[in-house]
Amino acid sequence: GQQVMQIPQYQHVQEGEDFTTYCNSSTTLSNIQWYKQRPGGHPVFLIQLVKSGEVKKQKRLTFQFGEAKKNSSLHITATQTTDVGTYFCAASNSGYALNFGKGTSLLVTP
Amino acid sequence: DVKVTQSSRYLVKRTGEKVFLECVQDMDHENMFWYRQDPGLGLRLIYFSYDVKMKEKGDIPEGYSVSREKKERFSLILESASTNQTSMYLCASSPETGGSTNEKLFFGSGTQLSVL
Repeated sequence: GQQVMQIPQYQHVQEGEDFTTYCNSSTTLSNIQWYKQRPGGHPVFLIQLVKSGEVKKQKRLTFQFGEAKKNSSLHITATQTTDVGTYFCAASNSGYALNFGKGTSLLVTP
Repeated sequence: DVKVTQSSRYLVKRTGEKVFLECVQDMDHENMFWYRQDPGLGLRLIYFSYDVKMKEKGDIPEGYSVSREKKERFSLILESASTNQTSMYLCASSPETGGSTNEKLFFGSGTQLSVL
């Protein structure tokens, strides 16, 4: 399946600091999705990016899709303890099935 | 709200047993998926189905089979459970794919399977 590499694997920040996770592919993606999984929970859809260079915001979260549609990022401004969890990107170059990155686990210390 | 229900939250089985993991969704979704999640490996696709009685292999189908006799139900079968199949299993569903984009996935709460 489509391989997406996600970095970093872990990130530990103080509350109020910013956080960014990156997702990269060697091939062009048709779209990319982002999910959040709280500790002990299941992945929950956050957003989908489809267009080259697309930028979408959800409150403190900013999602970007690269111009070449081979990379994406999720940036959280001024993290809060409620942001704790694992963030996954998921991509497909066509068809039904999404392939997930390995995720970035975010820990926020008050 | 879409509800994806997995029959068991925790399951303990012995090596060699045949194991059935059941998943039911209540939103008439065409697509259903089985992933397994392991620490450091993320979510890996086992099988998926885009229609009743249809199935497609994912990235790691070895040791597993699936059944989709009804639209709302997608079962994952471990023919002869082994210790390396100890994992969190996540079922997901999505509506019919429209064109080149994927619809978002709705996940169940997961089944933590331990094979002893």
